[in-house]
Amino acid sequence: AQKITQTQPGMFVQEKEAVTLDCTYDTSDQSYGLFWYKQPSSGEMIFLIYQGSYDEQNATEGRYSLNFQKARKSANLVISASQLGDSAMYFCAMRERTTGGTSYGKLTFGQGTILTVHP
Amino acid sequence: DADVTQTPRNRITKTGKRIMLECSQTKGHDRMYWYRQDPGLGLRLIYYSFDVKDINKGEISDGYSVSRQAQAKFSLSLESAIPNQTALYFCATSDPGQGGWETQYFGPGTRLLVL
Repeated sequence: AQKITQTQPGMFVQEKEAVTLDCTYDTSDQSYGLFWYKQPSSGEMIFLIYQGSYDEQNATEGRYSLNFQKARKSANLVISASQLGDSAMYFCAMRERTTGGTSYGKLTFGQGTILTVHP
Repeated sequence: DADVTQTPRNRITKTGKRIMLECSQTKGHDRMYWYRQDPGLGLRLIYYSFDVKDINKGEISDGYSVSRQAQAKFSLSLESAIPNQTALYFCATSDPGQGGWETQYFGPGTRLLVL
């Protein structure tokens, strides 16, 4: 079963508007972390934001916020006031702990959402 | 200067050749990783190393080997390259002392084409 699901292959948004990129995940662990990365056309992976499963407040980093709904197992990325430079591929990723409590280290990635910002 | 560097950035090779991709980091992180990215599949973990003496296989290690020459250097080798190893390869690092969920920071990637 896929652990990270990004159901939107592509999204379009007008410049200066907000956009939500969806991410749902599947895990039986109680302790895990959720991450969002941006990949522009140049190819590098840029870390944007992360949320721990025990964090009570939604994470925010500048124009990025993570809408974390634990019961629904969703971790949507919200980008406010979109800019042309936000056009890129966006990946949601999850990191789980093993049942023994040792951090395994593996990030599991979704398939990504291509965001296009129109002027 | 970039914290995580990868060389080469682009490489074309022929089937059967042995090639090495190198990763260096100045972040002082103990943990390093190699991923590959194929179109439509996101990133998948090849190998990871939690310190110089600790190397572990990821989910797709067949056909690859790694060497952790120092805390700052982690190399990925394709012993005998095949066309389905054509992909974008990323090195990443993380710091377990960061606390919480340690973030992985990625290098710029190496585009590999195997003919």
